[in-house]
Amino acid sequence: KAGVTQTPRYLIKTRGQQVTLSCSPISGHRSVSWYQQTPGQGLQFLFEYFSETQRNKGNFPGRFSGRQFSNSRSEMNVSTLELGDSALYLCASSWPRSKGAGETQYFGPGTRLLVL
Amino acid sequence: ELKVEQNPLFLSMQEGKNYTIYCNYSTTSDRLYWYRQDPGKSLESLFVLLSNGAVKQEGRLMASLDTKARLSTLHITAAVHDLSATYFCAVDLTGTASKLTFGTGTRLQVTL
Repeated sequence: KAGVTQTPRYLIKTRGQQVTLSCSPISGHRSVSWYQQTPGQGLQFLFEYFSETQRNKGNFPGRFSGRQFSNSRSEMNVSTLELGDSALYLCASSWPRSKGAGETQYFGPGTRLLVL
Repeated sequence: ELKVEQNPLFLSMQEGKNYTIYCNYSTTSDRLYWYRQDPGKSLESLFVLLSNGAVKQEGRLMASLDTKARLSTLHITAAVHDLSATYFCAVDLTGTASKLTFGTGTRLQVTL
């Protein structure tokens, strides 16, 4: 089956602008998580949505937000972009069964954002 | 706050040699994941370890989990150039694989 898809793959923005990234999970997966990857901070968890509700949140400012639609597709938005927001943004999907189940997160190809 | 540390950060090894990457974490968890990332690419799931003493093997890679020591290892046997990549361990405290805390990553370079 098709994997996680993300659009766009590359994006260049200027400081102060806002950006919206999109993620389509694997068919049947209801959980979508977002991560930021930078050379300095590594991979950091942004937030997770399950059944259109934000269920987990990382330590990022309120400029970072997201949402999930009824078809499980998710978007994340960054407002008032800063130079430090330049990063690879990865989306991952999973089907969160009960504890003990051997599920993992499957990652999309990422969106590379450059803020000038 | 959960902290996940890997060592070494960088590993250069010759083809045919064996080596181990270590992943230590600060908070009790029985769910640990290993991922591989090639340059400019996304993350590929390698192993899911869900209990103390769990051991998984795939080709030249073997991962194990000791939840009491809060330690996971990724052992590389007879390395080949194709294994060159960055390897990440990640810990899940939610029980649902929806919020992973990643280690710093180990960049592995296998040379001839």
